[in-house]
Amino acid sequence: GAVVSQHPSRVICKSGTSVKIECRSLDFQATTMFWYRQFPKQSLMLMATSNEGSKATYEQGVEKDKFLINHASLTLSTLTVTSAHPEDSSFYICSARRKATNEKLFFGSGTQLSVL
Amino acid sequence: EDQVTQSPEALRLQEGESSSLNCSYTVSGLRGLFWYRQDPGKGPEFLFTLYSAGEEKEKERLKATLTKKESFLHITAPKPEDSATYLCAVHNNAGNMLTFGGGTRLMVKP
Repeated sequence: GAVVSQHPSRVICKSGTSVKIECRSLDFQATTMFWYRQFPKQSLMLMATSNEGSKATYEQGVEKDKFLINHASLTLSTLTVTSAHPEDSSFYICSARRKATNEKLFFGSGTQLSVL
Repeated sequence: EDQVTQSPEALRLQEGESSSLNCSYTVSGLRGLFWYRQDPGKGPEFLFTLYSAGEEKEKERLKATLTKKESFLHITAPKPEDSATYLCAVHNNAGNMLTFGGGTRLMVKP
């Protein structure tokens, strides 16, 4: 089956620093990737939709200058949490859909961000 | 706006005690309904896709069914390793994204 690799799995950083999370589709091309945020015991909240070669589309309430998304190729999207603060601590998950299909999303394994 | 509601929020079962999880939805044109399993600290793992009312899919102890308003995930004779959060999501005809329900946390005790 298709694999989505997300890295790092866990990161601890100081308040005010920036953190980059990578999401790669290993064996398929993904025109669209999605970034989710998940708080403990809650469901996934869509943050933004990332399209290859164009600007990301952010959901209401998500600061685009805070959460920078780059989708540089058909297999790689990155999420950079800029000037992280403790309230940004959360579980971030990426997902990808095969190019030009309506099939299921494949999810990465998630990144647990802890900001001290 | 698409909405997905899952119930119950949490479910405790004894090993072997069959039950069902519910996913109620409203969507502007259903392209697909998805069930995922999520273990703590992990990303969701795909289970099933259902596309039209009346469709059913099975995998080991799990069976998913779909009507025009809801989907059920039936768990037959569950085992402790079935303990996880089960997420339901819908994909509408208009957009690219999935709308997720709040999930059901299933705990199966030996």
